[in-house]
Amino acid sequence: GENVEQHPSTLSVQEGDSAVIKCTYSDSASNYFPWYKQELGKRPQLIIDIRSNVGEKKDQRIAVTLNKTAKHFSLHITETQPEDSAVYFCAASNSNSGYALNFGKGTSLLVTP
Amino acid sequence: DVKVTQSSRYLVKRTGEKVFLECVQDMDHENMFWYRQDPGLGLRLIYFSYDVKMKEKGDIPEGYSVSREKKERFSLILESASTNQTSMYLCASSANRRRFYGYTFGSGTRLTVV
Repeated sequence: GENVEQHPSTLSVQEGDSAVIKCTYSDSASNYFPWYKQELGKRPQLIIDIRSNVGEKKDQRIAVTLNKTAKHFSLHITETQPEDSAVYFCAASNSNSGYALNFGKGTSLLVTP
Repeated sequence: DVKVTQSSRYLVKRTGEKVFLECVQDMDHENMFWYRQDPGLGLRLIYFSYDVKMKEKGDIPEGYSVSREKKERFSLILESASTNQTSMYLCASSANRRRFYGYTFGSGTRLTVV
């Protein structure tokens, strides 16, 4: 089955800096890559996603890039703010698995003022 | 907004008990999923379902079963609870399997088995 690796497991940045989280996947059939943000004590929330026919997608301060050849995708957060502090999960899925998501182990991001 | 509701926020059960975790969604979604979340291990898929009375095993189905008698309800069953099943359990739903639009998660049930 699909294996999703996520790095780093923890990330600390200063407010205003950029943060980058990287994921790799193993199944070349994977074609949908969402990112979820989970604040302490809350449910994971979808923040951005990308499909395999697109190389990059932006939404304000958040962007995701996808390299299908290398089988990796990344989350980029610019101008970080303390409220960006959370655990971020990447995931991958494909139609063969019925679009069940396989998640990475998460990155705990801390943005210090 | 889609609502995914898990019946209990916190549960404490004894070893050997049969435990039912309930999940209900209100947007006529076809797909429903159960994950467990443990520190450092991320979210691991236990079971999922595409339709009523249909189920598929995920990555860690051992010790669990599921029931989907109605489209809006997906139950996770711990046949004989053990301490290694102490975890946060998250239910999720998505629209259908023909095109993926992402999950909506429930608030989670934190289960402690003593």
